Amino acid sequence: DAGVIQSPRHEVTEMGQEVTLRCKPISGHNSLFWYRQTMMRGLELLIYFNNNVPIDDSGMPEDRFSAKMPNASFSTLKIQPSEPRDSAVYFCASSLKVSGKMYNEQFFGPGTRLTVL
Amino acid sequence: AQSVTQLGSHVSVSEGALVLLRCNYSSSVPPYLFWYVQYPNQGLQLLLKYTSAATLVKGINGFEAEFKKSETSFHLTKPSAHMSDAAEYFCAVTRGGGGNKLTFGTGTQLKVEL
Repeated sequence: DAGVIQSPRHEVTEMGQEVTLRCKPISGHNSLFWYRQTMMRGLELLIYFNNNVPIDDSGMPEDRFSAKMPNASFSTLKIQPSEPRDSAVYFCASSLKVSGKMYNEQFFGPGTRLTVL
Repeated sequence: AQSVTQLGSHVSVSEGALVLLRCNYSSSVPPYLFWYVQYPNQGLQLLLKYTSAATLVKGINGFEAEFKKSETSFHLTKPSAHMSDAAEYFCAVTRGGGGNKLTFGTGTQLKVEL
């Protein structure tokens, strides 16, 4: 079975440009998470969705960041305009949230390495 | 709020030696605790999880962890390190009762030497 798919795997852009990261969760999963990983701050949750609805976006750093999930099989994380400090690895994860089950394992994609010059 | 602290950002062991990666948690409610492994240029993979059942949890690749409430710890161990264990390991916590939001520690880079 295909795991979580992220594209692109690497992105190099210049400051001020718009960047769009894409994620396809595991088929059938109903929760989706966006994380950012940097040396300075480690792994941070940016936002997560349940059934395509954003539940918690308290980790989104600024208004320059936005995330959408138009359907169950696709999500985007957009940065506009991008800045050098946005350089990081961005991970998408998905899980199947089951009612009554205390925890549902998150499966991570391979990440997108973003470099903003 | 929940948090985890990983002691030691880098740990080096000899092949065949015991691996011990430390994690202490802070939680106002019974926590669910996890260890993830990240190999170079890959995403995170779940090693094992504690969800209030047995306090000694066995995971993949010979790893195990013990939940000790009195010490607020969830240390990861493996009796004999293998070269393929070299990776970064993350401890994570979420609140019990259905919470899905993971809070990760800062990670421990494990190096295995011949």
